[in-house]
Amino acid sequence: EAQVTQNPRYLITVTGKKLTVTCSQNMNHEYMSWYRQDPGLGLRQIYYSMNVEVTDKGDVPEGYKVSRKEKRNFPLILESPSPNQTSLYFCASSFRSGAGTGELFFGEGSRLTVL
Amino acid sequence: GDSVTQMEGPVTLSEEAFLTINCTYTATGYPSLFWYVQYPGEGLQLLLKATKADDKGSNKGFEATYRKETTSFHLEKGSVQVSDSAVYFCALSFMEYGNKLVFGAGTILRVKS
Repeated sequence: EAQVTQNPRYLITVTGKKLTVTCSQNMNHEYMSWYRQDPGLGLRQIYYSMNVEVTDKGDVPEGYKVSRKEKRNFPLILESPSPNQTSLYFCASSFRSGAGTGELFFGEGSRLTVL
Repeated sequence: GDSVTQMEGPVTLSEEAFLTINCTYTATGYPSLFWYVQYPGEGLQLLLKATKADDKGSNKGFEATYRKETTSFHLEKGSVQVSDSAVYFCALSFMEYGNKLVFGAGTILRVKS
């Protein structure tokens, strides 16, 4: 089954404790991206990757890191989480040829709470 | 910058009622427009799209028409079902942005039986 898999789905942590949210897709997509969803703000892009070893900042990259060492994986790293990073996070992927078509495939989301 | 504005929710309807969710956009140019749907506990799914002015996107009984003159892409359905209860997001995208989507804030739809 074609899917984008995120882990963990739910996490409660404390300020400053490094964490990683993993994302894996099995569709051989070149493009992957992370969004955060906050009430009243919709989804905002954190980072994206057009292909292996190619990453770039989105609209709200502060406090986050990413890496793209393999095509299928795109982990989101919070080196020192803070309470303002409490949010619902989504990973998404697509073929690069879908540029501008908007057809992203989303994971089920990871709800993160930072105390 | 580019932005999308949706009507605030929640929208509460009875089954078989007519649905309209308003969406307008601000952009320098002519983006592609989309509606995504998020069912409870799930990720977003593409519902429909339109890539140029006057195009109509349709899927699962939902429709939206790309109106360049009013910069709008309102979502409509003639008869909603309880299973349509979800959060609906309007979004835009430019070829120049690659695969980046700019989302509206989302509108919660609740359908009562």
